[in-house]
Parts: sequence; structure tokens; C-alpha cells
Amino acid sequence: EVQLVESGGGLVQPGRSLRLSCAASGFTFDDYAMHWVRQAPGKGLEWVSGINWDSGSIGYADSVKGRFTVSRDNAKNSLYLQMNSLRAEDTALYYCGKDAAASYYDGSGCDYWGQGILVTVS
Amino acid sequence: SYDLSQPPSLSVSPGQTATITCSGDKLGQKYACWYRQRPGQSPVLVIYQDDKRPSGIPERFSGSNSGNTASLTISGTQAMDEADYYCQAWDSSTEVVFGGGTKLTVL
Repeated sequence: EVQLVESGGGLVQPGRSLRLSCAASGFTFDDYAMHWVRQAPGKGLEWVSGINWDSGSIGYADSVKGRFTVSRDNAKNSLYLQMNSLRAEDTALYYCGKDAAASYYDGSGCDYWGQGILVTVS
Repeated sequence: SYDLSQPPSLSVSPGQTATITCSGDKLGQKYACWYRQRPGQSPVLVIYQDDKRPSGIPERFSGSNSGNTASLTISGTQAMDEADYYCQAWDSSTEVVFGGGTKLTVL
């Protein structure tokens, strides 16, 4: 069974940093691209970042570019999101998503999602 | 930047066909996928690469993509289909982008 479990969220002051983690199990982690997607309270989905299976290609939404850094450790089956210079508008539920393909721009979409972790910047 | 537009809401009677649209410049030249999100739950992929259904998704869900519009069609809509639906595509300028979402009401 595929499982994605996010951790590391919480309440943080504006300008501070936070690191999210996503522990993956139930599939061959290094075969697939991964994503971070967020959802502000009562709002729609917003893509944050994607990373290919081998970290060879990485992408960010304009809203987080230069502040957030995505990484993965295939040996630990883990995905990370380092969030610096946090702003109130970064407040959201952050989801970890497994892509159905090795490249995050393949168009295959996220076939598995975690339950999300709440980040509150205030 | 690249934008995807969806109608904010759509209402349909049980048993009828619901068609949710997603519009973007030359969207037909990109792959589109669709997600269903029920209240308080994580999104679920229902269509990928325009018209493919993941395993476990009922046949009443179908997709198409041509020109500037991708569509998600739900045939024989059931009460359990009531949810928010989001389209998603990848563009070289914006990377991955989501539409604003459509709230489907079955009444």
C-alpha cells in the first residue's frame, strides 16, 4: 500500500524558516517524480514544486521561487521542502504527491497524495 | 504566466451528465489531468494524460482535450460525485498549474 506521510508543519513567525518532510512507502521511491502542492484555507490547489526521480529537474511556482527548496533522498525514501522567508500568504495545508511518472512534467499527474500538513505563518 | 480557467460551480441532477471545462491557451497541445477533492479529503486523480483513467476510477469518468479546452465528463452522475474538481497541466513558462476548481453539486 502506497503511503505518503508529511511532517514538520506548525506555527511559525513571518520571516522564519520551516522544513517539511514526506516519508514514502509502498512503492519504489526512486522510480517516480514527486511534488509539493498546497491549499490555503477555503481555497484551491496550488502547485508549489516538483522534482524528478533523480533530482535532475526541479521546478517551482513563481510564488515560492528563491525562498523554497525541494530535495529528495532516495536512500531514505524521503522528500523535503525547505521553506525560508515565510510569509502570511504561505499559510496552507501542504500535500506531498507522488507522480505517476519519473518526470514531473510528464502530464501523468499525482496518483497518490498524503493527508497534508498544516503550515501557519503568523 | 499560464492560466487555466474553470467555472466556479456546476449543478446537475442525479443520473444526468456533468461536463466540467478547463480553458487555457493551446491547452490541447499539452497534457491535462483532473482531480476530485471531497470536503476534508486529499485530492484523487480521476483522469491523466487527457483521457486515461487510473485503476479504480469508474468508467463514467472520461476526459478529452482539444484546442483551448479540456473537459471532464461524468456520465450518470451520482451523489458521491459531489466534490470540487481541479484540472492541471504543465507549461514550460509556469511549470505545473492548476485551474481554480469547480464545485460540482448533485441535486
